[in-house]
This record gives sequence, C-alpha cells and structure tokens, in this order.
Amino acid sequence: NAGVMQNPRHLVRRRGQEARLRCSPVKGHSHVYWYRQLPEEGLKFMVYLQKENIIDESGMPKERFSAEFPKEGPSILRIQQVVRGDSAAYFCASSPNTGQPGNTIYFGEGSWLTVV
Amino acid sequence: QQQVKQSPQSLIVQKGGISIINCAYENTAFDYFPWYQQFPGKGPALLIAIRPDVSEKKEGRFTISFNKSAKQFSLHIMDSQPGDSATYFCAATMDSGAGSYQLTFGKGTKLSVIP
Repeated sequence: NAGVMQNPRHLVRRRGQEARLRCSPVKGHSHVYWYRQLPEEGLKFMVYLQKENIIDESGMPKERFSAEFPKEGPSILRIQQVVRGDSAAYFCASSPNTGQPGNTIYFGEGSWLTVV
Repeated sequence: QQQVKQSPQSLIVQKGGISIINCAYENTAFDYFPWYQQFPGKGPALLIAIRPDVSEKKEGRFTISFNKSAKQFSLHIMDSQPGDSATYFCAATMDSGAGSYQLTFGKGTKLSVIP
C-alpha cells in the first residue's frame, strides 16, 4: 500500500557493515510491524512496535538486529555487522491500532537488502 | 516448525479457469485467516479474509472455503485473468500476547494465468 513508505527500496552492504531501514507508517497509524521475506519464502514476523515501545520482538534474531519507533520520525530497523544470510526483503506494515482480526494491516513496498 | 503449509508452490491456469490454492494450519489458537496478493517488487496486499466461525466467504471472483475440523482453508479464484498473475500467500493470526497479532504466512503460491 502506497501509504506505508519504506526507504531505501534497495540497499547493498558489504559484510560487516550496518544497514538501516526506515518505515513511515500510514498517517495516523501508531502501530508498526516488521517482517522479513527470504527468497522463495513467505514473510516472517520480526517485531511489533507502538510509538516509543517494543511490544513483541519474539521474531527478532537475538543479536545484531534492533528496532525502534520514536515519538517523532519513522520506525527504523537496524542490522549491525550484516552477513550474507541477512540478504532479504524487509517489509514494514502499519495499522491504526492493534492488528486485531478485522483491522487491516497495510504493507509497504519493502526494502531489498543485498549483502555482498 | 512451519505452522501454515501452502500448496501448490506454483500454478498455471488458463484464462477463464478456476485457480485453487490450499493451506493447512496446525495451531488451533489461530482465529483469523487472511489471504494476501503480492506482485513482483511490491508489498503484500490484503485480498480477502475469514474467521473460523464461517465456512465460506466470497468477494467478487475470490472465495475462501474454510474447514475448521480439518484445519484447512483454500482460496478459489473464479474466471482467472492474466492480471491475477501474482504470488498469493495464506496467513493466520492470533493474539500472541500484549495485543500482538503477528501474521504467520505460508510460503506462497506463484500463479500464472495464461491467455
């Protein structure tokens, strides 16, 4: 959905560098999800945030990955010391409140990370 | 452990035909089952969704059939068109705590509708 803006759309990093992916949710949405899609795979949940709070990070790798959703500005997914296995499409989604059944979650167009 | 299994991996259908994609789930706590459509280079977009207390839901050419006892659900696309060519994902969700309704996705079905 064009309302969720992700940048950069494509990012190339060398092994060991840091990757920062940004997500601006639909205007007025205060709930953000991050998902990762590996080649030929479905999307896998990473983290759920509300403004200034991480609500559920059960899908986040324990090391090198972090996410934030500050009071002002976009949500950021940060990957430190990237490795080739981090190459994937990272999708952000937003909703006006919790993603309860019936509440539509809008996905952005994704950020494609390539680690060389 | 894959909680939502989707088949087939790819599907070729003639224009005007019926496309059928199947999914099976394991966790009986799932309480909402959406289908997403994804075009190359784009994010997934919600297509249609169903709750487990309903056996069928139809929206235009798209129908979800749901079998709670078998823990299976399927997407039927009637009168398939070349513009329907995309990857389709089934998903399931439940409250995993603290109001987090994370989606669990199947691996996707790449549909090609040929003229």
